[in-house]
Amino acid sequence: AQSVTQPDIHITVSEGASLELRCNYSYGATPYLFWYVQSPGQGLQLLLKYFSGDTLVQGIKGFEAEFKRSQSSFNLRKPSVHWSDAAEYFCAVGLDQTGANNLFFGTGTRLTVIP
Amino acid sequence: DSGVTQTPKHLITATGQRVTLRCSPRSGDLSVYWYQQSLDQGLQFLIQYYNGEERAKGNILERFSAQQFPDLHSELNLSSLELGDSALYFCASSARQTETQYFGPGTRLLVL
Repeated sequence: AQSVTQPDIHITVSEGASLELRCNYSYGATPYLFWYVQSPGQGLQLLLKYFSGDTLVQGIKGFEAEFKRSQSSFNLRKPSVHWSDAAEYFCAVGLDQTGANNLFFGTGTRLTVIP
Repeated sequence: DSGVTQTPKHLITATGQRVTLRCSPRSGDLSVYWYQQSLDQGLQFLIQYYNGEERAKGNILERFSAQQFPDLHSELNLSSLELGDSALYFCASSARQTETQYFGPGTRLLVL
């Protein structure tokens, strides 16, 4: 069975600083990998996804993520954080042995942005 | 706006009661998923339907059930509610089973 680990529960960065949120997954085959963002009181919005091909994927709002098979990682990055990026970020993996794309989520990383 | 709608937005009920949460997927999406987000369990997959048929089950309690109707909307039924069922319930939809899921805004359930 697959699992997702987000080792950082809470990260604080200054506005304009770079950001990297870590995600490690466990899965026997190449998984579908996703990053979602949840603003307070809101639903989940898809930032980006990796299915296959180029291991560096670009998403919305200036985010990117890199799939590293050797490290079982899919870290999310942004070169310059904006105050509006403050939210909770979830990494997820999909596609289990049944073929269904039900998602397994990490526990989330809460991002605080300080002026 | 993801195109997935969920009603109601908020629901307050008492222990032992039964509630129904409704989800309308994005136009053309055949697959519907239900998730529960709680403080102690995080985001958990509950169940998936594809074109009216159940396709996958996650950590869904026996007190919970779901269905997908011919018009592709879905309902999640929660019965014999307990305090611990208080959570945010999300619905998501995708075009096919292995496509990207788009999430609705959620229904916040409070059991008193």
